[in-house]
Amino acid sequence: EIVLTQSPGTLSLSPGERATLSCRASQSVSSSYLAWYQQKPGQAPRLLIYGASSRATGIPDRFSGSGSGTDFTLTISRLEPEDFAVYYCQQYGSSPPDTFGQGTKLEIK
Amino acid sequence: EVQLVQSGAEVKKPGESLKISCKGSGYSFTSYWIGWVRQMPGKGLEWMGIIYPGDSDTRYSPSFQGQVTISADKSISTAYLQWSSLKASDTAMYYCAREIAAAAPFDYWGQGTLVTVSS
Repeated sequence: EIVLTQSPGTLSLSPGERATLSCRASQSVSSSYLAWYQQKPGQAPRLLIYGASSRATGIPDRFSGSGSGTDFTLTISRLEPEDFAVYYCQQYGSSPPDTFGQGTKLEIK
Repeated sequence: EVQLVQSGAEVKKPGESLKISCKGSGYSFTSYWIGWVRQMPGKGLEWMGIIYPGDSDTRYSPSFQGQVTISADKSISTAYLQWSSLKASDTAMYYCAREIAAAAPFDYWGQGTLVTVSS
């Protein structure tokens, strides 16, 4: 089972700033099968990024993903008030189980 | 419009059985996998397993194998997650979600079903 470790656990930033979230895998993620989700309180998660760098339908271009192998990054170029939430990475390789990282909470400074 | 609508919140006692549901609409239910994800109070997401309603191919996380049963009734476009004997530690929000392939992200999610197990 691939273990995903996200850092930092909490990130405190102000609107307009740039956010960089990290996701490190315990072994290489096949074919960059890495996704990022956003979850706000009381809501279901929402898919932001898949294939490490492809934005899901309707996701603003201030969200971008990068990386390969074991190191992946989600970048939010200029934070909007609605971006403050918890972010999870997920690997969805060919063999179950898929796994999620423990999450990064992005909070307003 | 793609929708996954889950059954309502449940309050159960330890040892009781439970089956919660997830009804898909707005797409071909038999052409996508449905997965289940657990979120314990204040915690992160845990992948439990997936089912392909087209042929009922089912795959479980080792952490949940034998603890729950995932099933589907394609005639009514509904997937299920069931327990035969609930424990207090099963208290959580449970989400269903759709994926195009077994190796794919979850692109649409249900609203979640809160299960509370307490004596």
